[in-house]
Amino acid sequence: EAGVTQSPTHLIKTRGQQATLRCSPISGHTSVYWYQQALGLGLQFLLWYDEGEERNRGNFPPRFSGRQFPNYSSELNVNALELEDSALYLCASSLEGPEAFFGQGTRLTVV
Amino acid sequence: GQQLNQSPQSMFIQEGEDVSMNCTSSSIFNTWLWYKQDPGEGPVLLIALYKAGELTSNGRLTAQFGITRKDSFLNISASIPSDVGIYFCAGQLWYGNKLVFGAGTILRVKS
Repeated sequence: EAGVTQSPTHLIKTRGQQATLRCSPISGHTSVYWYQQALGLGLQFLLWYDEGEERNRGNFPPRFSGRQFPNYSSELNVNALELEDSALYLCASSLEGPEAFFGQGTRLTVV
Repeated sequence: GQQLNQSPQSMFIQEGEDVSMNCTSSSIFNTWLWYKQDPGEGPVLLIALYKAGELTSNGRLTAQFGITRKDSFLNISASIPSDVGIYFCAGQLWYGNKLVFGAGTILRVKS
């Protein structure tokens, strides 16, 4: 069974541009979580989607947004990119309960 | 927001030694999870704890859910080089809420 897959693996963008990151959850999982991991730091909660609805949002500005599609895959969009947005963006999925399984992440670099 | 205090920040130990790390919070958590992250990878779930006082093992790893519901610890016995990585605790305040992560413990093992 395939795990959580994220694309692209690496993304380089210029300040002010927009970035779109994609996540496919484990088959059958309905919840998708997005986390930001800046270099050397812990995981900061961004967004949680379940059954197509946004359930919770972390302390990030509105230019961080996303959605979940009917097949439970998800997109994270970051508008008006800033240098400090450079980080590893991790997606995780769960079926029910808190046991979340992570993908390998998308390394976003803003130059 | 809810904070998880994870300690130690880093450890450099000799192969074969036992390791202990812990997480504490001022809030009561419903669930505690422990993850390990290898360089360039997403976190991998090691152990999940659901009841106060619960002690659970996964091979050489043992984790406990504190009686007060405000702490958890992870022990690794007889460490080996492949134990190297960053270990994160994560807690869920109540069912359906987001996971909150500790800052991580960096483990290095000397052969």
